[in-house]
Amino acid sequence: QITLKESGPTLVKPTQTLTLTCTFSGFSLSTSGVGVGWIRQPPGKALEWLALIYWDDDKRYSPSLKTRLTITKDTSKNQVVLTVTNMDPVDTATYYCAHSEVSGWYLDFWGQGTLVTVSS
Amino acid sequence: QSALTQAASVSGSPGQSITISCTGTSSDVGSYNLVSWYQQHPGKAPKLMIYEVSKRPSGVSNRFSGSKSGNTASLTISGLQAEDEADYYCCSYAGSSPWVFGGGTKLTVL
Repeated sequence: QITLKESGPTLVKPTQTLTLTCTFSGFSLSTSGVGVGWIRQPPGKALEWLALIYWDDDKRYSPSLKTRLTITKDTSKNQVVLTVTNMDPVDTATYYCAHSEVSGWYLDFWGQGTLVTVSS
Repeated sequence: QSALTQAASVSGSPGQSITISCTGTSSDVGSYNLVSWYQQHPGKAPKLMIYEVSKRPSGVSNRFSGSKSGNTASLTISGLQAEDEADYYCCSYAGSSPWVFGGGTKLTVL
């Protein structure tokens, strides 16, 4: 059974760096073909893909946010970490992590999401 | 990399069929049979309903079906039920920046 759960601060100030952790179980990020992605959703708005890390440590980023994002993995801890620098109120959103089988390029298991508010 | 285009809303009566369209470009939807659809109820995480254009994950009702023609993908829900009322998002593989989502469609069951 695959599960994922996001954790991190619920409130950050403008210009600060956000660090979110995705802790998962039921799969290994050292298994060929597996990836973990981050997706966010501002209140009342659409989903937006942010970043993806593969089993082989290859990483991909949304072109529009690439300069502000870093994704890393700790296979031994079953965790994936996303950092977002220079946070702004427009970054207020629910942040989700999700499991992906890159053979099919779909997100089949999602965490419950964590709401991050950016405000001074 | 622009978002895929979906109608903001669609509605239907119980028992009817509805179709939600998702229009992309030759760089995403048109180039790959890697379109997926997600259902999202208020306050909940998205749920995978369709992958690789027309495949259903285990446990998803066969009332949900997907198709693609050119740069446009479609999700059809037949035998509409009250529980189908939700937001639906399409998503396509887009090459080196793997995913692009649609803007979402709110389905109302009348």
